[in-house]
Amino acid sequence: NAGVTQTPKFRILKIGQSMTLQCAQDMNHNYMYWYRQDPGMGLKLIYYSVGAGITDKGEVPNGYNVSRSTTEDFPLRLELAAPSQTSVYFCASSPSGSYNEQFFGPGTRLTVL
Amino acid sequence: EDKVVQSPLSLVVHEGDTVTLNCSYEVTNFRSLLWYKQEKKAPTFLFMLTSSGIEKKSGRLSSILDKKELSSILNITATQTGDSAIYLCAGLSTGGFKTIFGAGTRLFVKA
Repeated sequence: NAGVTQTPKFRILKIGQSMTLQCAQDMNHNYMYWYRQDPGMGLKLIYYSVGAGITDKGEVPNGYNVSRSTTEDFPLRLELAAPSQTSVYFCASSPSGSYNEQFFGPGTRLTVL
Repeated sequence: EDKVVQSPLSLVVHEGDTVTLNCSYEVTNFRSLLWYKQEKKAPTFLFMLTSSGIEKKSGRLSSILDKKELSSILNITATQTGDSAIYLCAGLSTGGFKTIFGAGTRLFVKA
């Protein structure tokens, strides 16, 4: 069981470039989440998904897009990267909602210059 | 607006001390509160609290929820240097997809 995996671990982007952060889980969890964590701050929810084909916005969705074509994968797309998107991005999954812990991936550290 | 507030923001103690970390929440349709420990990378799960007044324990760590006061505490007794980390609490609403994290308490335990 690999749990939640994320790639890449680190990335530097130039302003205006695009990229996709990959996230996969092998625990057959229905719920998946994308968070960003800025220095000295807690986690902010970007997007979440409650199952394949179903996604919705979290607190800070602007500048990001997601898709969920399979239970396992939940990629996060950054279009037109901006310095404000410099952050650490965590993907998480859980079996269901309110009564289950979320399992986190190792994170992707993204710098936009 | 939903929010979770943690205090203190940072704390420095000596090994063997006991610490209490605080978390207050305002989360619409609140269902559960989670505590996580974050060292260098991803947060790792500590406790989930759903019922008021019932203490959860794991070794030297314990936590309790007070639904009347909309708050929770995390206690760590006989602290060790390995307890140095950021402790995050999060409030979950119905369905679990609306997760509001606090800014965390950064704990440093001196040898």
